[in-house]
Amino acid sequence: NAGVTQTPKFRILKIGQSMTLQCAQDMNHNYMYWYRQDPGMGLKLIYYSVGAGITDKGEVPNGYNVSRSTTEDFPLRLELAAPSQTSVYFCASRQPGQANEKLFFGSGTQLSVL
Amino acid sequence: GENVEQHPSTLSVQEGDSAVIKCTYSDSASNYFPWYKQELGKRPQLIIDIRSNVGEKKDQRIAVTLNKTAKHFSLHITETQPEDSAVYFCAANSGGGADGLTFGKGTHLIIQP
Repeated sequence: NAGVTQTPKFRILKIGQSMTLQCAQDMNHNYMYWYRQDPGMGLKLIYYSVGAGITDKGEVPNGYNVSRSTTEDFPLRLELAAPSQTSVYFCASRQPGQANEKLFFGSGTQLSVL
Repeated sequence: GENVEQHPSTLSVQEGDSAVIKCTYSDSASNYFPWYKQELGKRPQLIIDIRSNVGEKKDQRIAVTLNKTAKHFSLHITETQPEDSAVYFCAANSGGGADGLTFGKGTHLIIQP
């Protein structure tokens, strides 16, 4: 199993550009998450999904969109990039249920908006 | 929603000494409390976790204690080694729902040789 795979690893955007951060998992996990990590801060939840076709907002959803057309993929879309979106983005997944609360993280995408 | 506070933000200890990191949470419905270790440029890795029906859990040099009444939990690392240098995050499961974990801001642990 590859686990949770994120692409790209690094990206520089100009203000106003758009991009999609890709996330895929091969563990057949129903629950998937997008977090952002700013320097000196913990991880903040952007969006999450409990299954294909179902998404919901987290703590900091403004400026982002997601879709979940398959169990495996959970892309994060930035439509009009702003400097405030400079951050490291982590995708994570897990199975539902109280015995399965361990989050499996991808390796992250470091995004700079200039 | 859940709020997790973590202290200290930076902790420097001599190699071989113990380190303690403390967290408090706000949601009494939270029942799962993991600790993640993140090395520079890497993804967070789960190192230990505890459920609310247990007061303490140990795994070799690492232990976690939980006080549900006071809503706080702590990470204890004994006999610290250089490879323990990293940022450590505590988290709580926001009442156990599907909306994932709420994280503390992290503690940068520095092991002095």
